[in-house]
Amino acid sequence: GAVVSQHPSRVICKSGTSVKIECRSLDFQATTMFWYRQFPKQSLMLMATSNEGSKATYEQGVEKDKFLINHASLTLSTLTVTSAHPEDSSFYICSAADLRDYTVETQYFGPGTRLLVL
Amino acid sequence: AQTVTQSQPEMSVQEAETVTLSCTYDTSESDYYLFWYKQPPSRQMILVIRQEAYKQQNATENRFSVNFQKAAKSFSLKISDSQLGDAAMYFCASRHAGGTSYGKLTFGQGTILTVHP
Repeated sequence: GAVVSQHPSRVICKSGTSVKIECRSLDFQATTMFWYRQFPKQSLMLMATSNEGSKATYEQGVEKDKFLINHASLTLSTLTVTSAHPEDSSFYICSAADLRDYTVETQYFGPGTRLLVL
Repeated sequence: AQTVTQSQPEMSVQEAETVTLSCTYDTSESDYYLFWYKQPPSRQMILVIRQEAYKQQNATENRFSVNFQKAAKSFSLKISDSQLGDAAMYFCASRHAGGTSYGKLTFGQGTILTVHP
């Protein structure tokens, strides 16, 4: 099956600093990548949808200036948490899909990144 | 907009027995997909099974099968011959087949499944 990687797997940073999380599709081209946030024992909350070469679409209530998303190529999307604060501590998951191919209906998920802001 | 509801926060089953996880959804779309995902303690999301709404036949994948009731907007997951490795959080999800929300998944709240040896 298709593989999606995330880096780093976990990161600890000081309050006020920025953190970048990478999401890569390793063996397929991802026209679209989705970024989710998940709190312990809760569901995945979609933060934004990024399409290669265009601006990300953010869900209601998600600060676009706080969570910067770039999808510069068909294999890489990045999420930057700017001026991170303790309330940004969470588990961030990306998924990738090639929506050009109607037969490829599945999103492939990365392993997630655990962010802890001190 | 689509909504997905899982009314069972937690379920448990004895090893080798069968368990059914419930899911209901609401959508105004005529064409959509439904999924069950498993999230083990590693937190890696794993696709268990998927169902195209236009297909009447229930999807099956080895020990996993669904009961898709389109009129009732119900999509339950049956796990047969439960194994210890099935212990995880299970999410039901729906996806638009087209339109501006194409590709976006809507998840239910999740059900934590415990398997007792």
